[in-house]
Amino acid sequence: DTGVSQNPRHKITKRGQNVTFRCDPISEHNRLYWYRQTLGQGPEFLTYFQNEAQLEKSRLLSDRFSAERPKGSFSTLEIQRTEQGDSAMYLCASSLSAGQGLYSYGYTFGSGTRLTVV
Amino acid sequence: GQNIDQPTEMTATEGAIVQINCTYQTSGFNGLFWYQQHAGEAPTFLSYNVLDGLEEKGRFSSFLSRSKGYSYLLLKELQMKDSASYLCAVKSGGYQKVTFGTGTKLQVIP
Repeated sequence: DTGVSQNPRHKITKRGQNVTFRCDPISEHNRLYWYRQTLGQGPEFLTYFQNEAQLEKSRLLSDRFSAERPKGSFSTLEIQRTEQGDSAMYLCASSLSAGQGLYSYGYTFGSGTRLTVV
Repeated sequence: GQNIDQPTEMTATEGAIVQINCTYQTSGFNGLFWYQQHAGEAPTFLSYNVLDGLEEKGRFSSFLSRSKGYSYLLLKELQMKDSASYLCAVKSGGYQKVTFGTGTKLQVIP
């Protein structure tokens, strides 16, 4: 297994265009997360899937953002009508689900997609 | 809501010990993570605490006090490669969402 894979690594787009990013999680992981990170800040939660179900979506995620995880495997994050404020690193992570207890599986992050909106 | 506080920057000397503190306020606390992030790279998992006390893993140890909403990451025998951002992250809520702090940028100097 090659870990969490994200494509593309970099994306430069003009304001107003739509962009789509892809994340391929570790195959046996049933949880998948999208985060956004800007320079000097920690990752901000965007949304979260368990299998194909989108269980939570941040209020940060405007109507221009949509994420899918068909068949509970790879996921896509689409941003419509991009704005300059959307410029950031978009990180995908996956994990195994674990009940509350002494052990929790940490997230495995992908290398991210760096979006620049010009 | 949640509030996670950690120092923005720290500097320490190679071979020394450094402690990075994290305080948090949250409802439905389910555990606390520490991640390391080198510049331009993705975060990597370091440790997880859910019960009070110290968890030791090689040169890195993590401590948690749930009653005080406080954790620290202790790095011993610092190496130059330890220069990175260290992210404190709290798991909470019914879906156990993980919320990250802004990170502490550690610079190790010779």
